[in-house]
Amino acid sequence: EVQLVESGGGLVQPGGSLRLSCAASGFTFSSYSMNWVRQAPGKGLEWVSYISSSSSTIYYADSVKGRFTISRDNAKNSLYLQMNSLRDEDTAVYYCARPGGEDYFDYWGQGTLVTVSS
Amino acid sequence: EIVLTQSPATLSLSPGERATLSCRASQSVSSYLAWYQQKPGQAPRLLIYDASNRATGIPARFSGSGSGTDFTLTISSLEPEDFAVYYCQQRSNWPRYTFGQGTKLEIK
Repeated sequence: EVQLVESGGGLVQPGGSLRLSCAASGFTFSSYSMNWVRQAPGKGLEWVSYISSSSSTIYYADSVKGRFTISRDNAKNSLYLQMNSLRDEDTAVYYCARPGGEDYFDYWGQGTLVTVSS
Repeated sequence: EIVLTQSPATLSLSPGERATLSCRASQSVSSYLAWYQQKPGQAPRLLIYDASNRATGIPARFSGSGSGTDFTLTISSLEPEDFAVYYCQQRSNWPRYTFGQGTKLEIK
């Protein structure tokens, strides 16, 4: 069974940093690209970042470019999101999501809440 | 950026009725459009991909249609568990996916 479990969320002050993790199991993690998607409270979904299976290709949404860094460790079946210079508008539930064969997100984690507030 | 606009924002229907949800793209996305269902406190679930293909395990009452800029998700006969928020998503500009703002399907 495919499982994605996020962790690392919490309360952080504006300008602070946080590192999110996503532990993957039930599939060959090293064969799949991965993404982070976020959802502000009561709002819609926003794609945040993409990383290819080998980490050779990385993309970011303009809203986080230069502040967030996506990475992965295929030996540990883990995906990461390093978030620096956090702003109020980064407050959201952050999901890791695995694309299926057609590049849509067929598996999602349960999400981890990041709250940026003073 | 490709903007997806969903309508209506809220749809109030009764179980057994037919639901029709719309998603319009700011430019052509060909057939590269998906629909997701999200219930409170849960992650989204993939329903339809490439405009009209049901994802694994999705009941036949869910169907999708459209191409280019105009897309429709139809639920032929609403079950109580279908009341949720529905999002469309494009992958035409992969991997810079964008989502619509959502349609809330509520019980009338």
